[in-house]
Parts: sequence; structure tokens; C-alpha cells
Amino acid sequence: SQTIHQWPATLVQPVGSPLSLECTVEGTSNPNLYWYRQAAGRGLQLLFYSVGIGQISSEVPQNLSASRPQDRQFILSSKKLLLSDSGFYLCAWSTRRTGELFFGEGSRLTVL
Amino acid sequence: GQQVMQIPQYQHVQEGEDFTTYCNSSTTLSNIQWYKQRPGGHPVFLIQLVKSGEVKKQKRLTFQFGEAKKNSSLHITATQTTDVGTYFCAVSSSNTGKLIFGQGTTLQVKP
Repeated sequence: SQTIHQWPATLVQPVGSPLSLECTVEGTSNPNLYWYRQAAGRGLQLLFYSVGIGQISSEVPQNLSASRPQDRQFILSSKKLLLSDSGFYLCAWSTRRTGELFFGEGSRLTVL
Repeated sequence: GQQVMQIPQYQHVQEGEDFTTYCNSSTTLSNIQWYKQRPGGHPVFLIQLVKSGEVKKQKRLTFQFGEAKKNSSLHITATQTTDVGTYFCAVSSSNTGKLIFGQGTTLQVKP
């Protein structure tokens, strides 16, 4: 069966520090991969999605970037965090372009 | 780009009362998905609707896709405290297939 792992689960970072969130999927090949952000009490904002290795589409201009170095690995990064980067970051995968999404457990980031 | 409006934003009900959340789009949708997110958790897929006028049921949950495929609803009959959470609809971009979420409806159930 397919599983998705996302880490770290929680982190507190100072403003200006770097960020790296990692997500891996097991049990499937060539998944579509997504990074969403959810501010407290708000909806899900699509940040990046990828249909293959090295193929990243950015939805919102910001100080975040994403990379897909391997088929089932998706990384969200920042060189310098802003206060506004605080939120709940969710990685997700799907097998078809319009298929259901399977979410990871999420990473809760607080920037102080 | 593709957008979907979801209402209401919040709903407080007494246990046993019914609950409905609505999603509306200005454009015709190819399909619509519904997700539930428990407090502190991650969204979990509930269902996908594809056909015009489609109605699907999951126990006390009834999902409906409008005839024009521009709106959808999720109705919960006789809510229970386990129904607490935020319910999202999600639609696919016609060009890319990426999934865009509505703002969600947060349901609170008073025991």
C-alpha cells in the first residue's frame, strides 16, 4: 500500500533562518506531488506541484522554493524565513491528474 | 484561474441537527472532490463526483453535484460530535489538473 511521510512534524524557527521540509512517498511510482500551506483557521493554498523529477510549478511568488530530486521525494525550502511563512505545511500526492489527493501528516512551522 | 466559493465559513449546530455546506463555481467543472479535516489533522478524501446531477451517499453524508456541474453540496443528517472538523471542496484546473480548494466550512457540534 502507498504511504506518505512528511517531516519534521513541528518546528520553531527564527526570522531569517533557512527551512527544509521533506516529503517522501512509498508504494507508487511517478506520483504528482504537491505542497500546500494552511494559515491558522484558513483554507489550503497551493504552493507548488510537480508532475515529474525536476518539474516544479510555482503557484505563488514568495521566498519559498521546491525541488524534486527523486521520483518520490519532494522538498520545500527557504533561504530566509519571514514571519508570514508561519503555518501548517502539507505535502500530498496523487496518481492521476484529477485524482484524489493523499496528504501527509503535515509540518507545523512557527516563525518567531 | 479556477476558483470555487464555499459557504458558510462556519456552522455551529446542536448534536442531532442537520448540516449543509455548498460550493459554487462560475465555470463548469469536470469533477469535484470533498475532503474532511479534523482539528489538528490533515485533510482526508471523502468522495469525488463526476456526473451531472450525481448524488452519492456515505452513511449520514449525502453529496450532490449540480445539473450544470457548477455547484455541489455536502449534507450531513443528524450530526454527531465525530462530525466536527472542516469540510473542503476541491476542483481541478481544466488545464493542468492541479487541485484548488475552497475556503472550507468549519463545523462545530454541541453535545
